Amino acid sequence: AQKITQTQPGMFVQEKEAVTLDCTYDTSDQSYGLFWYKQPSSGEMIFLIYQGSYDEQNATEGRYSLNFQKARKSANLVISASQLGDSAMYFCAMREDSGYSTLTFGKGTMLLVSP
Amino acid sequence: EPEVTQTPSHQVTQMGQEVILRCVPISNHLYFYWYRQILGQKVEFLVSFYNNEISEKSEIFDDQFSVERPDGSNFTLKIRSTKLEDSAMYFCASGITGRANYGYTFGSGTRLTVV
Repeated sequence: AQKITQTQPGMFVQEKEAVTLDCTYDTSDQSYGLFWYKQPSSGEMIFLIYQGSYDEQNATEGRYSLNFQKARKSANLVISASQLGDSAMYFCAMREDSGYSTLTFGKGTMLLVSP
Repeated sequence: EPEVTQTPSHQVTQMGQEVILRCVPISNHLYFYWYRQILGQKVEFLVSFYNNEISEKSEIFDDQFSVERPDGSNFTLKIRSTKLEDSAMYFCASGITGRANYGYTFGSGTRLTVV
C-alpha cells in the first residue's frame, strides 16, 4: 500500500483564491510527522509546514495551513490567498518514528495559479 | 538561516564515468540523507548516514553507490559507473535528530545528466 497518496495530479486556482491540496497517509506508527514541500520549476525543495502526530492543533505558517484529520489519516495543505508565485509542484511527505525516520514522499500535485 | 549546500548544481557526465556529488550539511546536524528525483517522478530515498556509517538504505542504493563523510563538513555521494537511468536530481538533506517530530533541511539539489 502507498504510504502517501496525493490524488490530484494537477490543480488550478485563480489568484487570491484559496486552494486545498489533498494528502492521505498510511502508517501503523503512533509517532510520525507530516510535511509539505514546494518544488518550483527551478527544482529545489522548499519546506512549507510540519504537523506532528501528537499535535492537537492544526499547523499554520503564514498563508499555509495544514488540515490534519488523524482518524481519517489525512493531512491536506490549504493555501489561502494564492499568488502567482505559488505555481509549483507540492509534495506531501511523512516521517515515521521507526527506523531512522526517512521521509516518504507522495507523487506530488502540480498547482497552477492564474491571474 | 543555515542551509545545506550542494555542488555542483548541474553535472553532465558520460555513461560509465564516476561522479561525486558534494554536500555541506548544516554544521550542528547529525543525520544526513541522500534522495533522488527522476524527472517528473516522486522523490525517492537513497540512504541515511549517522555516526559515520550508513544507517539505512533503499533498494536503489546498490553497489555502484557509496557515501562518505571525508571530513567534518562534507558529505558525498559517489556513483561508480554511471548509467543513463542515473540521470536525476539528487538532493542532500541533514537533520539535527532522527526523531519523526523533527524535519530536516534539503539542499538545492544537483541535476545529474548522464549521456
